[in-house]
Amino acid sequence: SQTIHQWPATLVQPVGSPLSLECTVEGTSNPNLYWYRQAAGRGLQLLFYSVGIGQISSEVPQNLSASRPQDRQFILSSKKLLLSDSGFYLCAWAGQRPTVETQYFGPGTRLLVL
Amino acid sequence: AQKVTQAQTEISVVEKEDVTLDCVYETRDTTYYLFWYKQPPSGELVFLIRRNSFDEQNEISGRYSWNFQKSTSSFNFTITASQVVDSAVYFCALSEDGAGGTSYGKLTFGQGTILTVHP
Repeated sequence: SQTIHQWPATLVQPVGSPLSLECTVEGTSNPNLYWYRQAAGRGLQLLFYSVGIGQISSEVPQNLSASRPQDRQFILSSKKLLLSDSGFYLCAWAGQRPTVETQYFGPGTRLLVL
Repeated sequence: AQKVTQAQTEISVVEKEDVTLDCVYETRDTTYYLFWYKQPPSGELVFLIRRNSFDEQNEISGRYSWNFQKSTSSFNFTITASQVVDSAVYFCALSEDGAGGTSYGKLTFGQGTILTVHP
């Protein structure tokens, strides 16, 4: 069966510091991968998605970047964190087309920028 | 552009009551997919159901049921005989198929409904 891992689970970082959040998937090959952010107020916003190694699409302009160095690894980064980057970050995976597949989410990372 | 509206911000019920969570969506695509997810206090999103636009059959899974009506662009979720363990935030989401499958399964979420079930 497939599993998705995220770490760290919780992170407190000062403003201006760098960030690296990691997401890995097991039990599947060539998944679509997604990063979402959930700020206070509960809505989830898609930040990035990837359909293959090295292929990253950004949905919103922001202070963050994403990379996919391996098939089942997805990394969210920032060079300098802002207060507004605080939130709950969720990674998700889905099977590849031909149909829109269900996304399955990881446990998330809670980021607090002080 | 696609949009999902969950007008109920918070719902509070007493255990064993039935409760319906509303979801209204907007899309120009003729092929699309609708989802419901549950987010318990731990934070992880748990997948509940997926429906495609060509399948309007209602679905029942234990105490959960879903009513999909294309005529009103709604995909409502009912919990029968609610229990304290049903307390969570529930999200409705939409994914368009896109021309030639170009949506890549991107989800648009509603703002969520906080459901609190009191003993």
